[in-house]
Amino acid sequence: QQPVQSPQAVILREGEDAVINCSSSKALYSVHWYRQKHGEAPVFLMILLKGGEQKGHEKISASFNEKKQQSSLYLTASQLSYSGTYFCGTEKPPGTYKYIFGTGTRLKVLA
Amino acid sequence: SQTIHQWPATLVQPVGSPLSLECTVEGTSNPNLYWYRQAAGRGLQLLFYSVGIGQISSEVPQNLSASRPQDRQFILSSKKLLLSDSGFYLCAWSVPRGAGSEQFFGPGTRLTVL
Repeated sequence: QQPVQSPQAVILREGEDAVINCSSSKALYSVHWYRQKHGEAPVFLMILLKGGEQKGHEKISASFNEKKQQSSLYLTASQLSYSGTYFCGTEKPPGTYKYIFGTGTRLKVLA
Repeated sequence: SQTIHQWPATLVQPVGSPLSLECTVEGTSNPNLYWYRQAAGRGLQLLFYSVGIGQISSEVPQNLSASRPQDRQFILSSKKLLLSDSGFYLCAWSVPRGAGSEQFFGPGTRLTVL
């Protein structure tokens, strides 16, 4: 079953922060995050493999709560270039190469 | 460095016509290969994946098929397109190291079936 992301859409001003959540009704063993700009292919941001893991990528970071079957993506001091649709993804079951992606979150950063 | 190519970039086809989309990867050996479809404004749906030459796993039963005739070549085909086949088709590759392998996507093919 497809992970559910929230919010579905968010509009920010430059410099504001945002949090995107990814929740699964079934166990999550790893979480990938991607950003897709309009009309382009998704671009890999980061991957979290273990419960409790947190990762950072410039001003974009993520956490993974394995027990709650959730992951969150944190965007701080947003820039115009952060605009796009963010997807979480996971491999179900692990090691099968069957990737399933979340419902997506559209983020728009305004000047 | 690794690169992934897809062609054509855009395609307009009539209902009932055949389809062939091609994807090639450079700079890596024995990659896992994937085909995804993305309907307008929607998420990514895994269609097929392959862990080696001639090895294809289908995720969604439909009128599409995939083949992997060479290690770094992945082809998506259809004998007769349906209106519902319209979408953005993305090829991706990953290193076959099990859970935790990020995927790298090609530029995509935008298919419109009329």
